[in-house]
Amino acid sequence: TQLLEQSPQFLSIQEGENLTVYCNSSSVFSSLQWYRQEPGEGPVLLVTVVTGGEVKKLKRLTFQFGDARKDSSLHITAAQPGDTGLYLCAGPGGGADGLTFGKGTHLIIQP
Amino acid sequence: NAGVTQTPKFQVLKTGQSMTLQCAQDMNHNSMYWYRQDPGMGLRLIYYSASEGTTDKGEVPNGYNVSRLNKREFSLRLESAAPSQTSVYFCASRRIRNTEAFFGQGTRLTVV
Repeated sequence: TQLLEQSPQFLSIQEGENLTVYCNSSSVFSSLQWYRQEPGEGPVLLVTVVTGGEVKKLKRLTFQFGDARKDSSLHITAAQPGDTGLYLCAGPGGGADGLTFGKGTHLIIQP
Repeated sequence: NAGVTQTPKFQVLKTGQSMTLQCAQDMNHNSMYWYRQDPGMGLRLIYYSASEGTTDKGEVPNGYNVSRLNKREFSLRLESAAPSQTSVYFCASRRIRNTEAFFGQGTRLTVV
């Protein structure tokens, strides 16, 4: 099983600040996905990155896939309370067609 | 749009009881997955099915069985529930590898 390690585990910041969370592995991934989960709900896909060095933007969220395809980052600009949630990275693993997740970053944006 | 539907939403079992968690998707997806989510442990893959008629073990399959009844439905069975199986269970589906996985709303299971 390819392991995905996310950091930090918890992050609490004030509204308007910027932040970056990380997803790292010792293995090469053919692709990585980022999901966001709110309490009582299942995860929802934010983005899929497939090319080393790729950068994707989703409004105030910027996702980057490392050149070696072993790591990824999520940067949020001017965080808002609505960004609060559990951010999960995921990639192929746990089997030939499996999908394995990191443990996630719990993000709290305080007004 | 129904998407992925899981039943039941909540369940309390006594140790040793059995139950089946049901999952159905209406998106004509090939792959279906069962996960458990525990505090501090993230989402861990229990079993998955890459296509109708096939199932494979994930990271934590012990104590569980699955059935891919048809393309739409993928059930998870606990034959003899244990307190260690107290968790939130999520079913997910996706069309093929590298595409978006869609999740149900989860089943909160407590084994006492």
